[in-house]
Formats: sequence, structure tokens, C-alpha cells
Amino acid sequence: ETGVTQSPTHLIKTRGQQVTLRCSSQSGHNTVSWYQQALGQGPQFIFQYYREEENGRGNFPPRFSGLQFPNYSSELNVNALELDDSALYLCASSTARGNEQFFGPGTRLTVL
Amino acid sequence: GQNIDQPTEMTATEGAIVQINCTYQTSGFNGLFWYQQHAGEAPTFLSYNVLDGLEEKGRFSSFLSRSKGYSYLLLKELQMKDSASYLCAVRSNRDDKIIFGKGTRLHILP
Repeated sequence: ETGVTQSPTHLIKTRGQQVTLRCSSQSGHNTVSWYQQALGQGPQFIFQYYREEENGRGNFPPRFSGLQFPNYSSELNVNALELDDSALYLCASSTARGNEQFFGPGTRLTVL
Repeated sequence: GQNIDQPTEMTATEGAIVQINCTYQTSGFNGLFWYQQHAGEAPTFLSYNVLDGLEEKGRFSSFLSRSKGYSYLLLKELQMKDSASYLCAVRSNRDDKIIFGKGTRLHILP
């Protein structure tokens, strides 16, 4: 059984640029959720994808967008990066309405 | 809306017992989760409660009272490796979103 993987591990961008983060869900999981975690804070829900459709969204602007592919892997895209976007971005996979989410190791994004 | 409150930091002694409380307000409840997160690592699942009562899993137990909007995580026989942040999270039954609290940083002293 393969766990949740994310790439890249670390990323440095400048303000105004665009970034794409990737996540491969655990085998057998069809639901992927993305979270932003600032230092010293809990994860903040960005959105969730189920069977390639967005299925719930948190309080994030439209410049945060995503995709889920037929193999249930997912991408998080952030346009027009701002300094406050610097955070750890976590991807979690589960079965539909599953009671356990498995988190990937995260991508540390730094915006300069 | 949803709001989750838990203490920012706690300190306990190796071998002792500690209880981390979590209170929540939600517009629709479909389960409460506890996660452990070591510094620089991803959260790992500890427990899930959807009905009132106590769920025990080894040294860790989690309690839920839906009428009081209250949960606690109980850690027994504390070990140094239990030093971590503990995150309380609530799932809404309206949209299945899981909302996390800010976490409780637990320090274990020898």
C-alpha cells in the first residue's frame, strides 16, 4: 500500500508568480483535501476533490484552484502569489466520507 | 459557522497522564477527530468520535459530548516522544469539510 506523496518538498517563489503543487493519494482513496498550515497554526481547509469534482471549499480566494485526475491524484494551483501564501501545504486522502484522512508530508512554500 | 477552541500549550511529566480539552461550535456535526503533529511533520490520525462516549486506543483515549460541544484527548503513561502538537478537528454534516483547531503544543518533561 503506497502512502500519500507530495511534490515538491520545498519551493521558493517570488510575489506575483504562479505555483503548482502535486499530490498522489493513497491507493484506494478517491477523495483529496488540501490544507494550508501557517507556522504555529492548525491546518486551514482550502478545498476537497471527490471523483474529479470540487466538493467543498474553505475561505480562500479564487486564485487558489485545483484539479483531480482520473487516478485521483491532485494539483493545487496558486496564482498571483502573495507573501502571506508562505506556508506548509498539506494534502490528505481518504475514502468518500471516510473517518480517517492520511496526510502527505507537505510542501513548504516560501514567497519572497 | 464553525469555531474550535483548545489550549495553546500544556506541560506534563514523563509517565504521567494529561487531558487536552477541545470545545467546538458548528452548524452541523458529523464527527470529531484528533491528530498528532510533530514539528516539521504532517499530522497523523489518532482518533475519531461521532457518538457520545469514550473511545480507547492503547495509551490514548478520546471522549465526546455532542450536547456540550466538548471533547478531550487523554494520554496515559506519557513518553518523551509524545511531545507534539495535538489538533482537534470537526467535520460538518453539511459539506463534509473538516475544520481544524489551532492545536495544543504538549511539552513532556523528564
